[in-house]
Amino acid sequence: GESVGLHLPTLSVQEGDNSIINCAYSNSASDYFIWYKQESGKGPQFIIDIRSNMDKRQGQRVTVLLNKTVKHLSLQIAATQPGDSAVYFCAEANAGKSTFGDGTTLTVKP
Amino acid sequence: DAGVTQSPTHLIKTRGQHVTLRCSPISGHKSVSWYQQVLGQGPQFIFQYYEKEERGRGNFPDRFSARQFPNYSSELNVNALLLGDSALYLCASTWEGANTEAFFGQGTRLTVV
Repeated sequence: GESVGLHLPTLSVQEGDNSIINCAYSNSASDYFIWYKQESGKGPQFIIDIRSNMDKRQGQRVTVLLNKTVKHLSLQIAATQPGDSAVYFCAEANAGKSTFGDGTTLTVKP
Repeated sequence: DAGVTQSPTHLIKTRGQHVTLRCSPISGHKSVSWYQQVLGQGPQFIFQYYEKEERGRGNFPDRFSARQFPNYSSELNVNALLLGDSALYLCASTWEGANTEAFFGQGTRLTVV
């Protein structure tokens, strides 16, 4: 079956630095990916998505890159802020069902 | 606008008991999905319902069941609770059962003792 995994379970950055969170997936037919942010005690919150016909998409302070050749995607957060501290999940979505990785815990040091 | 609402927020049950969790999707959303999130892991897909019909089911035992009502709200039922069922149960709604972003509720924290 399909699987989605993250490269590092934890990431610690200094406030103001850029953060990069990586994710690998196994299903080459996957065509829609979502990054979620989950803060303690809350449900996952949508950050940004990307479809397989794109290799880059930008939002406010966030950029997602998709490399279909190596089945890898990344989330870049510019000028990381303390409020960015959370667990980040990549997910492969298909017809309303999402397959999540185990998450990367991002800690932002002041 | 109300987001996805789940009830109750916390629940403690004893092994062998039954539990019912409830979810109201965002107004206009017709698809509801349920996920189980064990501490330290990503959410695991349990069920998806669209227009009151089951669209998908994850790798969970038959003790888990769900349904969707005409107003698109949903219930997740778990019978014969085990200690391993302790988790955060998340509900997510989407416009349709298609590839669009899902909106999650805050979850129900179930503890089985």
